[in-house]
Amino acid sequence: KAGVTQTPRYLIKTRGQQVTLSCSPISGHRSVSWYQQTPGQGLQFLFEYFSETQRNKGNFPGRFSGRQFSNSRSEMNVSTLELGDSALYLCASSAGAGTGELFFGEGSRLTVL
Amino acid sequence: GNSVTQMEGPVTLSEEAFLTINCTYTATGYPSLFWYVQYPGEGLQLLLKATKADDKGSNKGFEATYRKETTSFHLEKGSVQVSDSAVYFCALTPIYNQGGKLIFGQGTELSVKP
Repeated sequence: KAGVTQTPRYLIKTRGQQVTLSCSPISGHRSVSWYQQTPGQGLQFLFEYFSETQRNKGNFPGRFSGRQFSNSRSEMNVSTLELGDSALYLCASSAGAGTGELFFGEGSRLTVL
Repeated sequence: GNSVTQMEGPVTLSEEAFLTINCTYTATGYPSLFWYVQYPGEGLQLLLKATKADDKGSNKGFEATYRKETTSFHLEKGSVQVSDSAVYFCALTPIYNQGGKLIFGQGTELSVKP
């Protein structure tokens, strides 16, 4: 069974640009969550999608957005990039039962210059 | 609000030493508690979990007991190996959780020397 796949793995952007990250969950999983990981703030919850609807949202500005498609694949977008957006963005999938058992991808490493 | 506090790292141990990583939490009600592990260059993996007071989660020689009285969920292993070198995260799910929201601690880096 294939794991959670995130693309791209690494990317470099400049301030003011926007970026789109993609996540393909484990087959059969309907929930996709996104987390931001930085050395200073640790792991912070961005949002969760379940059956194409946003079910939970963290405390991030509106520049951070996401969506989920009918095949459960998800994308997150960050507009007007700031230096502080440099981070590892992790996607996690689950069956959606609210058990807290998440399966994480390897992450997309974003560097903003 | 909900929060998780872990002991600061890095923790450096010799192979076969005993490991304890402290974790305490603040939460409304009785959340489910987890330990996740992140090996270098990889995403997080669920190590163990406990869903109610006095439950003991265990996996790969690691154990943690859900202590309601002390709001703690300390991770222990009797004899660590070099391959256990990783970052360990304690986490909880809020009781109102509908899905994938976890509150994580800051992580504790473990380095095991031969």
